[in-house]
Amino acid sequence: DAKTTQPTSMDCAEGRAANLPCNHSTISGNEYVYWYRQIHSQGPQYIIHGLKNNETNEMASLIITEDRKSSTLILPHATLRDTAVYYCIVRSGSEKLVFGKGTKLTVNP
Amino acid sequence: DAGITQSPRHKVTETGTPVTLRCHQTENHRYMYWYRQDPGHGLRLIHYSYGVKDTDKGEVSDGYSVSRSKTEDFLLTLESATSSQTSVYFCAISEYEQTYEQYFGPGTRLTVT
Repeated sequence: DAKTTQPTSMDCAEGRAANLPCNHSTISGNEYVYWYRQIHSQGPQYIIHGLKNNETNEMASLIITEDRKSSTLILPHATLRDTAVYYCIVRSGSEKLVFGKGTKLTVNP
Repeated sequence: DAGITQSPRHKVTETGTPVTLRCHQTENHRYMYWYRQDPGHGLRLIHYSYGVKDTDKGEVSDGYSVSRSKTEDFLLTLESATSSQTSVYFCAISEYEQTYEQYFGPGTRLTVT
């Protein structure tokens, strides 16, 4: 059973913020939200993770709702190189990573 | 980029032949993983290793075996390749099982004819 729901695809204009939503309504208290991405023909790449607080790093920001049932990955200034499939994963520390189908983000010039 | 290499990067083989894929890391990470990726299925875990000679099955382990005789090398073997094993295979490493980051290799594209 999938723990997360993501849109199949999204488009974004270059230079604009890309906001990728993820629904995880059955998340439990010890489960983290992870985001990975996979650029075409490459291995997946870790982006960011969080438990309940918002997080920011050099790649992106992660906004988690107060009830933790959904989150949004924000790429503040999308570039063409951000075109990729983005995976939202919910996982506790003892579980293996399980990748769903993700959201295919296309950044347009 | 994490020091992970996979070999070969591309391979075409015939049904029934044995195939071994190699993952090599220079990070001295304890955990290593083999995934396969197929259209419509995302990445699925085949086997993983939590130390030298310590391995366990993932969700799609049938038809595959693994070995890890050194920290840096994790081998995936298809004893008798089938067309259903045509896929892209990714190796990954992590320092701890509970770590948030797994680092992935560049992948091996295997075609079984």
